[in-house]
Amino acid sequence: RKEVEQDPGPFNVPEGATVAFNCTYSNSASQSFFWYRQDCRKEPKLLMSVYSSGNEDGRFTAQLNRASQYISLLIRDSKLSDSATYLCVVNPYGSGNTGKLIFGQGTTLQVKP
Amino acid sequence: NAGVTQTPKFRVLKTGQSMTLLCAQDMNHEYMYWYRQDPGMGLRLIHYSVGEGTTAKGEVPDGYNVSRLKKQNFLLGLESAAPSQTSVYFCASRTPLRQEQYFGPGTRLTVT
Repeated sequence: RKEVEQDPGPFNVPEGATVAFNCTYSNSASQSFFWYRQDCRKEPKLLMSVYSSGNEDGRFTAQLNRASQYISLLIRDSKLSDSATYLCVVNPYGSGNTGKLIFGQGTTLQVKP
Repeated sequence: NAGVTQTPKFRVLKTGQSMTLLCAQDMNHEYMYWYRQDPGMGLRLIHYSVGEGTTAKGEVPDGYNVSRLKKQNFLLGLESAAPSQTSVYFCASRTPLRQEQYFGPGTRLTVT
């Protein structure tokens, strides 16, 4: 079983739609969780961290469910510019460690006009 | 600030050739990482460094060596390239105080 699993998609949605991605992780002791965004042939960039209480940044909402070991990303009012691959990322070791991250393979989102 | 830079951007090697990929960061970050990204797989950690003069193995270190002689530079070496090393290589850096990793633009390597 992969340590971090995502549905690769692609998710094809019209502009203005709401779309949600889930990601599961296998290590129940994992400490930190993130969503990174990667545009085609570009480097990954941090989109948002995921906190236990859930957090929101504009049109983006991230949730963590420790009991079921999954995190989610909700995008409201999708824009064409949201088209990208979204990487679920887990740090299983805690903030005091060397910061090794485990990346999911990514979920591709394509927003259509 | 340039952030994290990588050279070269593209390279084609023949099997058995050697090369060095250079990663440089101007953010005074202590930690640096080398990843490879292949289709259908997430980024996988090759080697990392928590400071000048220190390196450690990641998830897929075989066939690679690294050096961190200066804090701002992290070199990845392929001594004898193999077709299985065809990939996109990303370098990243961060400070110990924050979790966010900053990535370079990547190096696309093809081994024929």
